[in-house]
Amino acid sequence: NAGVTQTPKFQVLKTGQSMTLQCAQDMNHEYMSWYRQDPGMGLRLIHYSVGAGITDQGEVPNGYNVSRSTTEDFPLRLLSAAPSQTSVYFCASSYFRNEKLFFGSGTQLSVL
Amino acid sequence: RKEVEQDPGPFNVPEGATVAFNCTYSNSASQSFFWYRQDCRKEPKLLMSVYSSGNEDGRFTAQLNRASQYISLLIRDSKLSDSATYLCVVNFGDMRFGAGTRLTVKP
Repeated sequence: NAGVTQTPKFQVLKTGQSMTLQCAQDMNHEYMSWYRQDPGMGLRLIHYSVGAGITDQGEVPNGYNVSRSTTEDFPLRLLSAAPSQTSVYFCASSYFRNEKLFFGSGTQLSVL
Repeated sequence: RKEVEQDPGPFNVPEGATVAFNCTYSNSASQSFFWYRQDCRKEPKLLMSVYSSGNEDGRFTAQLNRASQYISLLIRDSKLSDSATYLCVVNFGDMRFGAGTRLTVKP
């Protein structure tokens, strides 16, 4: 019963460093997405994918890259970390776009 | 105007109270609506979907008013365990989240 698995749970980066947040789901969901959550704001969509090989931008895509080589995995790459990317990141999946989302446990990222 | 707007609260209520949250949305074409619950430092979890005719799940009742573009969540007989932040979610082509309403239920 793994559901959506995100790693790492916590990460501290220096400005300019790059890293990849991992997300995997075992529910055979077609749709996967990444959100960031900042204090006082709703979750904001970074990137999403409607199936293997297909990705698209959300509301706040700048500074992030994604790929979807398999149905199960949807990693999020920070190309050159900036303090403005300090946030809590959630991966979410659903059978299809616009259906109820299942979330991973989140990654708390700090960029110094 | 924000796409999805919620009263941030906090709502502080005693056990047993009835509390209601409202959420307004800007896209009249939205077709699906949800309420999620988020505990401190945890991931959001689906509380209930919101259907056009309104729906109930135990102590929780959700209503949709398309004409006025708002949805509501009513919690009856509040429990200590209901303390959390409640997120309104609206389909805009992709899911858009309100900032959440914080509820604290006190003994």
